[in-house]
Amino acid sequence: DGGITQSPKYLFRKEGQNVTLSCEQNLNHDAMYWYRQDPGQGLRLIYYSQIVNDFQKGDIAEGYSVSREKKESFPLTVTSAQKNPTAFYLCASSKDRAYEQYFGPGTRLTVT
Amino acid sequence: KNEVEQSPQNLTAQEGEFITINCSYSVGISALHWLQQHPGGGIVSLFMLSSGKKKHGRLIATINIQEKHSSLHITASHPRDSAVYICAVRSLAGNQFYFGTGTSLTVIP
Repeated sequence: DGGITQSPKYLFRKEGQNVTLSCEQNLNHDAMYWYRQDPGQGLRLIYYSQIVNDFQKGDIAEGYSVSREKKESFPLTVTSAQKNPTAFYLCASSKDRAYEQYFGPGTRLTVT
Repeated sequence: KNEVEQSPQNLTAQEGEFITINCSYSVGISALHWLQQHPGGGIVSLFMLSSGKKKHGRLIATINIQEKHSSLHITASHPRDSAVYICAVRSLAGNQFYFGTGTSLTVIP
């Protein structure tokens, strides 16, 4: 079964700690994305990657970092520099940027 | 100002009703997407369209490029259609996506 997996579904952290969210896809897609969703707001792009070992900042990249060492994997690190990290995080992938995106189930991060 | 506006924000319907959700956008686009988000949070892509009309089961999506407007219709609505429906557009250059804030639909049996 092809798809995108994100883990964990729920994540709790103390303020000041870095945390890494996992995203894996077996769709053989080149492009991958990280979005943040807050209540009452549309999805906002954090980072995207069009190819292995390359990634670009999205609209709200401050306080986040990513890596793309393998085609299948695009982990997102929420650093202690992110002022308001509590949110729902969605990972997506597509064949390339011009194609339809497929979304993972999301990770809900709560930082207290 | 949001590049993508949806209406209504919330919608409650009786089972069997015909439902319309609207999306207006202000930027030039190469494609428009309709997405469905269930209470658990996962998002499913329903349609990607750049002109005309597409149909899948009880769902119909239309787009009018000149008027920068799209509609999502659900015929014979069912409680399992209850979800948030999100409109998203891809810029002409293909390098940016803009998302609406979603329409929350509840279908009552």
